[in-house]
Amino acid sequence: AQSVTQLGSHVSVSEGALVLLRCNYSSSVPPYLFWYVQYPNQGLQLLLKYTSAATLVKGINGFEAEFKKSETSFHLTKPSAHMSDAAEYFCAVSFTGGGNKLTFGTGTQLKVEL
Amino acid sequence: NAGVTQTPKFQVLKTGQSMTLQCAQDMNHEYMSWYRQDPGMGLRLIHYSVGAGITDQGEVPNGYNVSRSTTEDFPLRLLSAAPSQTSVYFCASSSIGGGQETYEQYFGPGTRLTVT
Repeated sequence: AQSVTQLGSHVSVSEGALVLLRCNYSSSVPPYLFWYVQYPNQGLQLLLKYTSAATLVKGINGFEAEFKKSETSFHLTKPSAHMSDAAEYFCAVSFTGGGNKLTFGTGTQLKVEL
Repeated sequence: NAGVTQTPKFQVLKTGQSMTLQCAQDMNHEYMSWYRQDPGMGLRLIHYSVGAGITDQGEVPNGYNVSRSTTEDFPLRLLSAAPSQTSVYFCASSSIGGGQETYEQYFGPGTRLTVT
């Protein structure tokens, strides 16, 4: 069955430290892959997307993600966390043509501490 | 350009009542969808539409109806509300992708629904 898994429902980092949020998918063919961010009481905003053009994808706010087919992973990273990065992050996958129909992971709440 | 708008922002219903959550977009997007967000479960797709007159079920369609009479609007109807439908509901829209091209989905601000 096709699915997406986010490891760690809560991640805490110090300001200035590396952020690593994990996402793995289960599919026989590489899907479309996305990361979205949700700030408190708001809708979701796209951080970045992978569509097979390049395995390392750069997004907004200094985030990037690397697609690793052998590991079926699409982990999100940021070299140096900022207080404003505190939010919930969702990995989303589309297994259908066109990439519109999304399956979301359960989310990772990122906390940034001084 | 308002993007995706949703009304109401908050709603409290009694069990058995019906209501319609409104969603509108002004970006001429063909694809529109409804998700519900519950703690620890991420977002789950309820219904989606690829154009006016065309709708289909998502992962959790039971208890919900949709229709798409115009490109701009995609209302979600709760026929007989149940406590299990207490959730935050998000509407999203995007252009329809194809091949290696896929498009960002734009999300509305959400409707927080409580069913007592």
